[in-house]
Amino acid sequence: QVQLVESGGDLVKPGGSLRLSCAASGFAFSEYYMYWIRQAPGKGLEWVSYISSSGTTIYYADSVKGRFTISRDNAKNSLYLQMNSLRAEDTAVYYCARLYSTIDYWGQGTLVTVSS
Amino acid sequence: QSALTQPASVSGSPGQSITISCTGTSSDVGGYNYVSWYQQHPGKAPKLMLYDVTSRPSGVSNRFSGSKSGNTASLTISGLQAEDEADYYCSSYRSSSVYVFGTGTKVTVL
Repeated sequence: QVQLVESGGDLVKPGGSLRLSCAASGFAFSEYYMYWIRQAPGKGLEWVSYISSSGTTIYYADSVKGRFTISRDNAKNSLYLQMNSLRAEDTAVYYCARLYSTIDYWGQGTLVTVSS
Repeated sequence: QSALTQPASVSGSPGQSITISCTGTSSDVGGYNYVSWYQQHPGKAPKLMLYDVTSRPSGVSNRFSGSKSGNTASLTISGLQAEDEADYYCSSYRSSSVYVFGTGTKVTVL
């Protein structure tokens, strides 16, 4: 069955960096677009970034453009999100998710807390 | 990227039907039949309940149904059950593989 397992969330100071990972299994990872979506505490869902199956097409939300970098390693069935210059407003649970006609499967999420 | 508009809360008694609206623009909801609905229980990841406006993934109860008119999509839950109490989010394709989410609706079973 499809499984997405995020890791790397932590408490980090403003201005700091963090790298999130998402390990995929149960499907042909290299054939799917993948997304990072976040949810601030008590708030709604916000699309952060996506990467095409080959990695050649990448988009970012305006709120993270220039600070976050999405990447993938199809040989390792893994998705990454490098987050730099972190701000308090980046505090959220970060989910990786798969696109198949729609965003269908989500991981359980990893919590990123930005605080001094 | 502005969010789609949903009511903050909707409630109903067991067995009743409720409807949640999701209002966007002609650039998202009104422009594509790519509206999805997600159910999220506290502390859990969102679960896909409907996609392409009216389609249900395997395993999702037929008590969940969807529709769309103009720039507004709707999710109807019939025969409301205690387990349906959760947050619900709509989502729509906007452009270039970008999806926008709704503001979220808390469903309470009275």
